[in-house]
Amino acid sequence: GAGVSQSPSNKVTEKGKDVELRCDPISGHTALYWYRQSLGQGLEFLIYFQGNSAPDKSGLPSDRFSAERTGGSVSTLTIQRTQQEDSAVYLCASSLGGGAANEQFFGPGTRLTVL
Amino acid sequence: QKEVEQNSGPLSVPEGAIASLNCTYSDRVSQSFFWYRQYSGKSPELIMSIYSNGDKEDGRFTAQLNKASQYVSLLIRDSQPSDSATYLCAVPRYNQAGTALIFGKGTTLSVSS
Repeated sequence: GAGVSQSPSNKVTEKGKDVELRCDPISGHTALYWYRQSLGQGLEFLIYFQGNSAPDKSGLPSDRFSAERTGGSVSTLTIQRTQQEDSAVYLCASSLGGGAANEQFFGPGTRLTVL
Repeated sequence: QKEVEQNSGPLSVPEGAIASLNCTYSDRVSQSFFWYRQYSGKSPELIMSIYSNGDKEDGRFTAQLNKASQYVSLLIRDSQPSDSATYLCAVPRYNQAGTALIFGKGTTLSVSS
């Protein structure tokens, strides 16, 4: 079956512009996660959705970052007024449920470059 | 104290050898553990999950868990050049809001032919 898909695969933007990153999880997966991976850094959690609700937003680095999920499926991560330190690979993962035992499957990621 | 620790490597092994990758974690209540493989320029791919003490085998991969020592390892038997990648250990972060994964920095494995 289809895995997690993300678009665009690459995004180059200028400092100060807004960007939207999209994630389409595996069909039937109720939990959706956003992570980011900066060059030389580990994977960093951003936000978790269960259905359309986001009970854990603790990883969002600033109020420039926001995300939503609609229809219990597609999610969009929005970064406003992008900064160079936002350059990273943004990864989306989904799992069947939100419990700790649920395996998370990652999409291919969106590589964001802020000039 | 870092929550999930791994040796960064690189770990170099010859083709056909056993590669041993180690991970320690700080949260004693952790019950689930995951190993991901990440090729350069690609996203993480889940290769093993383990929930109980002891060994779990899947093909050439064996995950070993010792909750008392807060230690989980991944053994790769008959290592192949295609196993060359970064291996990430991940443990759920337990809080009331959710179970995001906390990742180690990863161990880079290089298998020479």
